[in-house]
Amino acid sequence: GQQLNQSPQSMFIQEGEDVSMNCTSSSIFNTWLWYKQDPGEGPVLLIALYKAGELTSNGRLTAQFGITRKDSFLNISASIPSDVGIYFCAGRRTDKLIFGTGTRLQVFP
Amino acid sequence: GAGVSQSPRYKVAKRGQDVALRCDPISGHVSLFWYQQALGQGPEFLTYFQNEAQLDKSGLPSDRFFAERPEGSVSTLKIQRTQQEDSAVYLCASSLAPRGSSQETQYFGPGTRLLVL
Repeated sequence: GQQLNQSPQSMFIQEGEDVSMNCTSSSIFNTWLWYKQDPGEGPVLLIALYKAGELTSNGRLTAQFGITRKDSFLNISASIPSDVGIYFCAGRRTDKLIFGTGTRLQVFP
Repeated sequence: GAGVSQSPRYKVAKRGQDVALRCDPISGHVSLFWYQQALGQGPEFLTYFQNEAQLDKSGLPSDRFFAERPEGSVSTLKIQRTQQEDSAVYLCASSLAPRGSSQETQYFGPGTRLLVL
């Protein structure tokens, strides 16, 4: 099935560092979403973006909806140990969500 | 409960067995989705219900996969004659609004981990 390109595939960072990950698609989306998935759990919505160019923050998280509507990025500032997990982007046109391949984040104290 | 629940959390099946996976959505949620998540991948859409109507089953990989939501609340995903390639996490999500509406926010359950031997 179709999956969006997400990079990097994994990141190993030190506590306190900033993190950036992005998601690209060959197709245009009307909505971009970012989820976090902890081991043994389902994805949890972090940020939703509804308009091209939109920049939205949720605490230490900031995400942007690319102008071309084919990409999005997520930044995490001042990482902490509980940021560990897998981050997924997802794009939506009018119906189904298409998920990215995920970025696995490890944070070392 | 407050969130989406799924049962069983883990299922081991022998190849050829039938399995049934249950999803209890958030009460009052109109939309219900099933996804399949292979190891190391993102979730992939299987099927969508609006209340009791199955409006989209385009993601079901074969006719061995069948889903129902007869009373518009609890849903069951059934896999007949399981194969090893069916091994994955099966996620259920529900949303208060119909699919495609600007208010749609999908809340995911913890998933059922299916291993077919």
